[in-house]
Amino acid sequence: EAGVVQSPRYKIIEKKQPVAFWCNPISGHNTLYWYRQNLGQGPELLIRYENEEAVDDSQLPKDRFSAERLKGVDSTLKIQPAELGDSAVYLCASSLALGGGDTYNEQFFGPGTRLTVL
Amino acid sequence: AQKVTQAQTEISVVEKEDVTLDCVYETRDTTYYLFWYKQPPSGELVFLIRRNSFDEQNEISGRYSWNFQKSTSSFNFTITASQVVDSAVYFCALIGRSNDYKLSFGAGTTVTVRA
Repeated sequence: EAGVVQSPRYKIIEKKQPVAFWCNPISGHNTLYWYRQNLGQGPELLIRYENEEAVDDSQLPKDRFSAERLKGVDSTLKIQPAELGDSAVYLCASSLALGGGDTYNEQFFGPGTRLTVL
Repeated sequence: AQKVTQAQTEISVVEKEDVTLDCVYETRDTTYYLFWYKQPPSGELVFLIRRNSFDEQNEISGRYSWNFQKSTSSFNFTITASQVVDSAVYFCALIGRSNDYKLSFGAGTTVTVRA
């Protein structure tokens, strides 16, 4: 079974340029997550989708970041314009939907996109 | 609020030594889940184990074992007879209702296994 696919793996841009990351989740996983991982830290959630709906985007810097998941499968995360502080690894993850009664399904992560903003 | 603390920043061992990674957490939820993930140099986070707050039974899986103690809010992870391929960053994580089911990660512990 294929895992979470992300592209590109690496991206180097100059500040103020736009950049986009793409993610294809595991087949059948209707929950998709975007995380940002700064150097030496654990990942932090940016946005969570349940199918096409963004159910938690409270940590997404909406002035420059946007995301979409139009058909409830693959997703794109965009930054425009990029700033120096956006240099990080952007991870996509997917899982089965949250269960009822506080059950929870583990998230499976892609390899990430390492963004460097010069 | 939820918080995960991994006090050990780096651990270096010689192959075949045992390695124990500490994880202490804070949550006000009565039901929550704890995880360990491994992040090798390739960058992908690999899921290792999930435990819910009602399951304090410790487990051994191959060379991995886990010690969950609710009384001390700890969820420690041990690699027995370490191998070079175990070199990675290991993250402890917590999820629960009070944080809107966001995974809260610790800062990670870098394990280096020398041949």
